[in-house]
This record gives sequence, structure tokens and C-alpha cells, in this order.
Amino acid sequence: GENVEQHPSTLSVQEGDSAVIKCTYSDSASNYFPWYKQELGKGPQLIIDIRSNVGEKKDQRIAVTLNKTAKHFSLHITETQPEDSAVYFCAASGSGGYNQGGKLIFGQGTELSVKP
Amino acid sequence: NAGVTQTPKFRVLKTGQSMTLLCAQDMNHEYMYWYRQDPGMGLRLIHYSVGEGTTAKGEVPDGYNVSRLKKQNFLLGLESAAPSQTSVYFCASSYPTGQGSGANVLTFGAGSRLTVL
Repeated sequence: GENVEQHPSTLSVQEGDSAVIKCTYSDSASNYFPWYKQELGKGPQLIIDIRSNVGEKKDQRIAVTLNKTAKHFSLHITETQPEDSAVYFCAASGSGGYNQGGKLIFGQGTELSVKP
Repeated sequence: NAGVTQTPKFRVLKTGQSMTLLCAQDMNHEYMYWYRQDPGMGLRLIHYSVGEGTTAKGEVPDGYNVSRLKKQNFLLGLESAAPSQTSVYFCASSYPTGQGSGANVLTFGAGSRLTVL
């Protein structure tokens, strides 16, 4: 089955700097790669996603890149702000189709701390 | 407000006791999932359901059972709790986007913190 590795486990940056979180996946059939943000005491929430037919996607200060050949994808946050402090999870869809419920396999998480 | 509601939010059990976590969603989502979150291990899928009356095993199903008798509810049961099941449990639901396999946006509940002594 699918296996997702995420690095780093913790990341500390100064406000205004950029932050990059990287993930690798094992199942070449995976075709959907979302990123979730989890604030303290809450459930994760989708912030951006990318499909396998796209190499890059951007939404304001957040961007995601995908390298299918190398089977890795990354989250880029520019001009970080204190409210970006949270745990971020990457995920991959695996080879499951409709009957597999579109279940996601998550990475281990990255705790991002943005210092004012 | 629409969303995913988990009950209870906190629970302490003794080893060997049983309990049920309830998840309810009011978004008419077809799919529902139970994940557990442990430090350094991310979110691991326990069981999931692709529709009313269906269930399937995820990555770490041992020691848990689930039921989906109604579309809006997904129950997670622990028949004989063990300390290894101390964790934060998250329920999620989703709808198929119809744009290819696996393309689902998950809506998560706020979590249920379970401690097994």
C-alpha cells in the first residue's frame, strides 16, 4: 500500500521568511496530493491540493509542487506570519478508486513555528 | 453549523473496558473515516465507509470495530481497551469530486481524546 514520508518534523522560522515542507510517496498510482493544516485543539483542514496532471499550484502565499518522476511533493509558504504556526500534514491518495472511498494516507506531520 | 461532530471529546478508560465513539455529519457526505493521531506518526486510518451499511479496514484496524447503520453516523467501538489505544481519534467525512480516483476533500471533527489506564 501507499506510504508517505514527511520532513522535517519540526520547523522554526522568523516572521516574513519562507517555509518548505517536503513529502515523498511510494505508490506511483497516487494521483491526488492534499495538504492539511491543524491548529491547536482542532481537526485538520484542507489548505491546498494538487492532482497528478499538474506540476505546481499556487494560492496567495501558499504553493505546492509535484514531481511525479521522483515521487515527491512540497509545500511552500512565503512571507510567513505568526498565524501560520500549526501542524501541517501532507497526504496521498494511493491507488484506490471510487470503491476504495478515496481514502488518504497521511505523512507524519510538521510542526511549524513562526516567531514574531 | 454544518460539520462533523464527535462525542465524547474526552474519555478515560481502564484496561479491558469497552466504549463507543460517535461521529455525526450533517453534510450528506457519502464517505466517512476514523483516524487516530499519535505523536510522530501522523494520522493513521483505522476504518472507513463508502456508504450506509458498508465498512472497510484501514491501516490500523486491529482492536476496533465500526458500524454505519445510518448515512450520517459512523461509530467506532473498542471492545477491550488497551493502553496502546491511548490516542486522539478523528472522524472525517467527504464527498467524491468526480474528477478522478482519490480526489476527496475531507472535513474533520474536532477530535476525541481517549486515555486508557
